[in-house]
Amino acid sequence: DAKTTQPPSMDCAEGRAANLPCNHSTISGNEYVYWYRQIHSQGPQYIIHGLKNNETNEMASLIITEDRKSSTLILPHATLRDTAVYYCIVRAYGGATNKLIFGTGTLLAVQP
Amino acid sequence: NAGVMQNPRHLVRRRGQEARLRCSPMKGHSHVYWYRQLPEEGLKFMVYLQKENIIDESGMPKERFSAEFPKEGPSILRIQQVVRGDSAAYFCASSLENVPSGNEQFFGPGTRLTVL
Repeated sequence: DAKTTQPPSMDCAEGRAANLPCNHSTISGNEYVYWYRQIHSQGPQYIIHGLKNNETNEMASLIITEDRKSSTLILPHATLRDTAVYYCIVRAYGGATNKLIFGTGTLLAVQP
Repeated sequence: NAGVMQNPRHLVRRRGQEARLRCSPMKGHSHVYWYRQLPEEGLKFMVYLQKENIIDESGMPKERFSAEFPKEGPSILRIQQVVRGDSAAYFCASSLENVPSGNEQFFGPGTRLTVL
């Protein structure tokens, strides 16, 4: 699976959009970009995933660059409850295993 | 639809005892994964199971750890002769089978194991 690079931490004001970047310059054509988050002491929570098109759901939007070497997770109106570690994971579908390889992620601190 | 269930939520064992952690996947999910999070560290994959089969155990320690996912009942992660270094949060996740766009995994609340 391709390696990802994320900033270790970011701040965001409550009510503003949070834009979390992720670099995955070695991504392969069959690899998806997944985002998970882990609120302190809780189990990780799936947020969104995409292959090459931008995606949106009730939680967030995922913007993937045309060359697929980077992506941005957007939380449109951050709240205090969005304070968490956000993980960008690149993974191929199928194959012998479906394991997720978590990096160090980005600690997003939403400020009141 | 209930989420992934794990029990117990907290487990205290003395060195040398056995720890049994249980995971009930989401309804309809036949794939189960176990991850471990040591204090102040990231999540590490341990094992991936389907019903009655171990698919990938590349993250499992070679000794004392075993996992099963029987035809009926929850998945069990078993740690024999626990040591202090086994103290961690153990998370279980489950996913659907053959989801075309990728198998997103849904996590349980975790079991926090403390070895005295």
